Amino acid sequence: GQNIDQPTEMTATEGAIVQINCTYQTSGFNGLFWYQQHAGEAPTFLSYNVLDGLEEKGRFSSFLSRSKGYSYLLLKELQMKDSASYLCAVVDSNYQLIWGAGTKLIIKP
Amino acid sequence: NAGVTQTPKFRILKIGQSMTLQCTQDMNHNYMYWYRQDPGMGLKLIYYSVGAGITDKGEVPNGYNVSRSTTEDFPLRLELAAPSQTSVYFCASSSSGTNNEQFFGPGTRLTVL
Repeated sequence: GQNIDQPTEMTATEGAIVQINCTYQTSGFNGLFWYQQHAGEAPTFLSYNVLDGLEEKGRFSSFLSRSKGYSYLLLKELQMKDSASYLCAVVDSNYQLIWGAGTKLIIKP
Repeated sequence: NAGVTQTPKFRILKIGQSMTLQCTQDMNHNYMYWYRQDPGMGLKLIYYSVGAGITDKGEVPNGYNVSRSTTEDFPLRLELAAPSQTSVYFCASSSSGTNNEQFFGPGTRLTVL
């Protein structure tokens, strides 16, 4: 079956750096997304990786290793507003989007 | 642009009742999707559409129906509501296929009692 694994919950301190990991086992691979979802709100797009390597976008970076079935989202200079769930999603060989359950990130002052 | 809009925001249904969740997008996107999100779970695809007049089942279509008569609108119909359909429902759209960013509506929180 197809599976995406993310930690359920993580805690970090304001101003620090946190890395949220995502591992996947899917039938094929056509890209990986990261979305942010604040409590009670809709998911919003953060990043898309289809080739190996690091993509940097301001305080957020996303890394992909296709050979290891692994990605991470790196958040720098954490702010209280970064408290949210972070969803990893993979596009499989049939162009179906498979979603992980999400990682709830709690930021403490 | 309003993006993707959904109505209603909240609804309580009794078992066996029916309702339609409305979804409209003003970005001229061809692809539209309906998801449900249960607590602690990932998004599950109910139905999707690749253009007006074309719809297809997703991972969890049972108990739901959709139609796509225009590019803008993609309503989701619940027939004979059951407690298992208690969830948050999100509509989304994208300019083309699933390897493109999806834009989500604000969601509908549905409770079936």
